[in-house]
Amino acid sequence: EAQVTQNPRYLITVTGKKLTVTCSQNMNHEYMSWYRQDPGLGLRQIYYSMNVEVTDKGDVPEGYKVSRKEKRNFPLILESPSPNQTSLYFCASIDRNTEAFFGQGTRLTVV
Amino acid sequence: GQQVMQIPQYQHVQEGEDFTTYCNSSTTLSNIQWYKQRPGGHPVFLIQLVKSGEVKKQKRLTFQFGEAKKNSSLHITATQTTDVGTYFCALSGSARQLTFGSGTQLTVLP
Repeated sequence: EAQVTQNPRYLITVTGKKLTVTCSQNMNHEYMSWYRQDPGLGLRQIYYSMNVEVTDKGDVPEGYKVSRKEKRNFPLILESPSPNQTSLYFCASIDRNTEAFFGQGTRLTVV
Repeated sequence: GQQVMQIPQYQHVQEGEDFTTYCNSSTTLSNIQWYKQRPGGHPVFLIQLVKSGEVKKQKRLTFQFGEAKKNSSLHITATQTTDVGTYFCALSGSARQLTFGSGTQLTVLP
């Protein structure tokens, strides 16, 4: 079954404590992306990756890092989380027709 | 980059009424996609429109792409409670980047 798997689903953390949200896809897609969703703002792109070792900033990259060492995995790293990064995060894997397959989401709270 | 305005932000309808959400751009779009996100869920792809004036139907859902390729609409006929959720349009740009509208949250009252 085609899947995008994100972990964890829920996370509460404290300001400044580094965290990683993992994302894995089993569809062999080259293109993957991270979004954050905030009320009234829709989905905003944080970072994207066009292939292994190729990543680039989206619209709201400040405070985030990513890596793409393998095709299937695209983790999102928050080196020093702050309360304004409290949000709902989605990883997406995108096929050649530009159809996006989303993970289940990670609800992050930074206190 | 390209941006798209989506309206309305919220819509409450009685079950059985119709519903329409609109996406508008100031520039010509190469294509437009529509996604549905159920409450507590993740966005799920519905359809992609590419051609000027294109109209596609999926059961009670009708998707249109404007003649000038600057706007699109999603119309639901005779809404049901299963239609509840947020509907997003999205533009695909270079390098398969997707830019999403702000979404329309649909509530269907039984």
